[in-house]
Amino acid sequence: AQKITQTQPGMFVQEKEAVTLDCTYDTSDQSYGLFWYKQPSSGEMIFLIYQGSYDEQNATEGRYSLNFQKARKSANLVISASQLGDSAMYFCAMRAGGTSYGKLTFGQGTILTVHP
Amino acid sequence: GAVVSQHPSWVICKSGTSVKIECRSLDFQATTMFWYRQFPKQSLMLMATSNEGSKATYEQGVEKDKFLINHASLTLSTLTVTSAHPEDSSFYICSAPHLPLEGGGWNTEAFFGQGTRLTVV
Repeated sequence: AQKITQTQPGMFVQEKEAVTLDCTYDTSDQSYGLFWYKQPSSGEMIFLIYQGSYDEQNATEGRYSLNFQKARKSANLVISASQLGDSAMYFCAMRAGGTSYGKLTFGQGTILTVHP
Repeated sequence: GAVVSQHPSWVICKSGTSVKIECRSLDFQATTMFWYRQFPKQSLMLMATSNEGSKATYEQGVEKDKFLINHASLTLSTLTVTSAHPEDSSFYICSAPHLPLEGGGWNTEAFFGQGTRLTVV
């Protein structure tokens, strides 16, 4: 079984500051993928960043970076230079090696609010 | 990038009626699609895996007779909520996996539809 845990129900950050959203995972598989999605109030799921379990480098995509600590089983999302448009719900998700391609397990989500 | 279109984006129906939600892969074929349900400010919970040409696989606790899934073609999966009740009011969202192309520049496995907000009155 695989599990994703996001322990921060809500986070607040000042505009232009950086923020870290926490994510820990649990799986017995050696091969797995970790994803972060952004869900604005419209409901759409916007893919942000991906980290493979065998990737040695932390993934980065523009203002998003993933702090991958394999031994700790954590995959925290770092958003640099926060913008008002970053206010949304953020989900960490995982697909373990034994499951179907594209079949994701999601964490509880973190609501991020960016203050001007 | 790959596009998944979900329709309708919102629907209001009377208790006891059925509602059909469509999920289409627009520029790729999807032999598998996934249906999720999300209550306000909560996580996405997988309901079922839709398989083209065969029966859907339902997650534990999901009533297959209530949530009918049909995957009749390589680009279309439908979720029908039968005899809807107010407790079925929720956000339903589908996704389709798509293997990235060589040098495609993106690395997400799952492309999501826009979601459907269902309100049963």
